[in-house]
Amino acid sequence: DAGITQSPRHKVTETGTPVTLRCHQTENHRYMYWYRQDPGHGLRLIHYSYGVKDTDKGEVSDGYSVSRSKTEDFLLTLESATSSQTSVYFCAISRSSGRENTGELFFGEGSRLTVL
Amino acid sequence: GQQLNQSPQSMFIQEGEDVSMNCTSSSIFNTWLWYKQDPGEGPVLLIALYKAGELTSNGRLTAQFGITRKDSFLNISASIPSDVGIYFCAGSVTSNTGKLIFGQGTTLQVKP
Repeated sequence: DAGITQSPRHKVTETGTPVTLRCHQTENHRYMYWYRQDPGHGLRLIHYSYGVKDTDKGEVSDGYSVSRSKTEDFLLTLESATSSQTSVYFCAISRSSGRENTGELFFGEGSRLTVL
Repeated sequence: GQQLNQSPQSMFIQEGEDVSMNCTSSSIFNTWLWYKQDPGEGPVLLIALYKAGELTSNGRLTAQFGITRKDSFLNISASIPSDVGIYFCAGSVTSNTGKLIFGQGTTLQVKP
């Protein structure tokens, strides 16, 4: 257990509405990530954070924004949800704290989002 | 962009059989990792590989980092029903961000 909690675990919303997913960690790790998982695509990185207020884009960042105002919370926001954003979203942390971050990630249980 | 090609896409085997799956890329990776995902849960790290040619075991699982740094394989020996799940390979290019590229996954089903 990596001390990661995602909320909500399930959400159904309508096209055009804003949605925020929350990732909360209890172990004070520096690096946090948001991935989405879709059939046939594996997991794809949306955004990641390397510290409070320090974030960067991943390979599928269009339509998403993130914020990290506290070490323990990493928020993913869909400003105006679209049907193509229907997916399972996973938060992850890396326990690496030094210069080398080798990608040994620990994932939350996922948030299933359906956009109608 | 970088892509990982994972094969096979799915496998249906008898309990007790050995399993082999692999991942290839046109790009060089510095780290290869293998994850397993059970239904309704997040992926769990199985094995991490850091050096070309490295062979690492974790119980019945063995993984290797290809010498060209463009491929990796995972073997599972004497499969059991709880091996059922989706197995993902992942690669990391940069050494200080933890950003991973994932394969499409191999779905494993084991018949008791």
